[in-house]
Amino acid sequence: EIVMTQSPATLSVSPGERATLSCRASQSISSELAWYQQKPGQAPRLLIYGASTRATGVPARFSGSGSGTEFTLTISSLQFEDFAVYYCQQYNNWPPYTFGQGTKLEIK
Amino acid sequence: EVQLLESGGGLVQPGGSLRLSCTASGFTFNSYAMSWVRQGPGKGLEWVSAINGGGTKTYYADSVKGRFTISRDNSRKTLYLQMSSLRAEDTAVYYCANLNWAFTRAFDIWGQGTLVTVSS
Repeated sequence: EIVMTQSPATLSVSPGERATLSCRASQSISSELAWYQQKPGQAPRLLIYGASTRATGVPARFSGSGSGTEFTLTISSLQFEDFAVYYCQQYNNWPPYTFGQGTKLEIK
Repeated sequence: EVQLLESGGGLVQPGGSLRLSCTASGFTFNSYAMSWVRQGPGKGLEWVSAINGGGTKTYYADSVKGRFTISRDNSRKTLYLQMSSLRAEDTAVYYCANLNWAFTRAFDIWGQGTLVTVSS
């Protein structure tokens, strides 16, 4: 089973600033990685697939990068609605599909 | 509008059974694999099970294998999860999600979730 590790667990950033979230896979997953955003009381929402392709309707301030075992989600200029929990997920080697434990992005 | 709507959650005793349903609208249901993903209270996301579009291939997490059964009725555009021998650790919000194997290969669309509580 591929283990996904996200860091940091909590990230405090001010609105308007840049946020950088990391995700590491326990073995190479090529670019077969997705990022999801989850707000309190809501279902997750797909943001990024293929490590760097934005899903339909996702603002351009969200960008993904990386391949192999190291991946990054960057939010270029944080808006208030971006404060949420973010999960990475691999689909290179399944079952099982595996998720990271999440990074909570909070307002500084 | 593309939508997934789960139902069937509730309170069940340890060792009991429950069947969850997920009804789809706004897309060609039988063209997509579907999946269940759960989230324990205050915890992260855990993949539970998946099924292909035709309903002929199923996949399970080790934590539920032998206890849960995923199925679908394409004529009703409905996905099911039959859960038995339930344990306290199965307590979670259960989401159904559309698995877009042909394009994104990720969980494209999510339902709002249904809460399952296993407790005596």
